[in-house]
Amino acid sequence: DIVMTQTPLSSPVTLGQPASISCRSSQSLVHSDGNTYLSWLQQRPGQPPRLLIYKISNRFSGVPDRFSGSGAGTDFTLKISRVEAEDVGVYYCVQATQFPRTFGQGTKLEIK
Amino acid sequence: QVQLQQWGAGLLKPSETLSLTCAVYGGSFSGYYWSWFRQPPGKNLEWIGEISQRGSTNYNPSLKSRVTISIDTSKNQFFLKLRSVTAADTAVYHCAREAMGFRGGFDPWGQGTLVTVSS
Repeated sequence: DIVMTQTPLSSPVTLGQPASISCRSSQSLVHSDGNTYLSWLQQRPGQPPRLLIYKISNRFSGVPDRFSGSGAGTDFTLKISRVEAEDVGVYYCVQATQFPRTFGQGTKLEIK
Repeated sequence: QVQLQQWGAGLLKPSETLSLTCAVYGGSFSGYYWSWFRQPPGKNLEWIGEISQRGSTNYNPSLKSRVTISIDTSKNQFFLKLRSVTAADTAVYHCAREAMGFRGGFDPWGQGTLVTVSS
């Protein structure tokens, strides 16, 4: 299985300041079709996960443009340009290049 | 807007079979994979498996011997069965849709069902 490793596991951030979460995979996520199937999910307290980013950098419908994704191969980053109160929650990276799909451990974003 | 609503028994005894249903409202089955996930309390998300409209399945090898995912397109529902449950299967179980056009695009998700296994 592909192991996904996120850092940091906890990120206290001041409102209005940027935040960054790293995700590293144990092997390349480039699929044989040329795409890289790395997504980011947000899980607010008490809610199911919500898709933010797919294929590294594509924002899903309705996701604010303060969220952005980047990276390639085995190293990926989720950035929030200016953290808002509603961004509190746990963020997961997930790979869908290989079966089984695997998740990072989650990064808890909290407000200082 | 597509919504997924899930239900099933929330309390099971060891060795029983977990059965969950996920109903799809406001959308078609065509062009998507339909997945199940679980999240034990305080632990990470785990992918259980998926099924296509045509009934083609993929399972997590760690659960494959005990899992069956099926689909009923006439009712716009898909199902999860997990046999011989133990306390380690206690988790919140989620269903979700994934577009065939972009793998990993898991959206929307069901609200989650807490399943507790206890004697």
